[in-house]
Amino acid sequence: DGGITQSPKYLFRKEGQNVTLSCEQNLNHDAMYWYRQDPGQGLRLIYYSQIVNDFQKGDIAEGYSVSREKKESFPLTVTSAQKNPTAFYLCASRPDEANYGYTFGSGTRLTVV
Amino acid sequence: GQSLEQPSEVTAVEGAIVQINCTYQTSGFYGLSWYQQHDGGAPTFLSYNALDGLEETGRFSSFLSRSDSYGYLLLQELQMKDSASYFCAVRGAAGNKLTFGGGTRVLVKP
Repeated sequence: DGGITQSPKYLFRKEGQNVTLSCEQNLNHDAMYWYRQDPGQGLRLIYYSQIVNDFQKGDIAEGYSVSREKKESFPLTVTSAQKNPTAFYLCASRPDEANYGYTFGSGTRLTVV
Repeated sequence: GQSLEQPSEVTAVEGAIVQINCTYQTSGFYGLSWYQQHDGGAPTFLSYNALDGLEETGRFSSFLSRSDSYGYLLLQELQMKDSASYFCAVRGAAGNKLTFGGGTRVLVKP
């Protein structure tokens, strides 16, 4: 079955560390997105990529970085510059058809210890 | 920029009907989507409205009025499994990215 795989499910980060969250899709979608969700709140866009080797900042890109070297993969790095990284991170991809929704991965819950 | 407003919480009993309203302000509008998210889970796509009117998908329906910058999600014949958070999201022009509302938590009671 096609879908999006995010790993790890839970991640603990020490102060000052960079960590990378994995996102892999086998849906053959060109567009991929990273969202952050804080408890009881909506999703906020971090970065998005419409095609391989291209990506743009979303609304809250500071302290994060991404790469898109392969169509299937869109990893997110949470750097030490992100002062409040504890959150639920969701990766999504979108088909070309406008009336089809995003497909989301099951998320990574990041906690700073 | 874009902003969306929806109620924070709604409580109803099994078998009832719930309407979740969403008003939006946006500089570019290409459609309104609705997503369901159970606690700790991933959002799942429910519906998409690009044009005015009602779209029906089983027990769920979604409505859009572009002139009023308003839409709603209608949940009928509520079931316990419908207890979840529901998000409206606006699709803008650049990158077809979605901007999400803060979510409405629906609690279904027996």
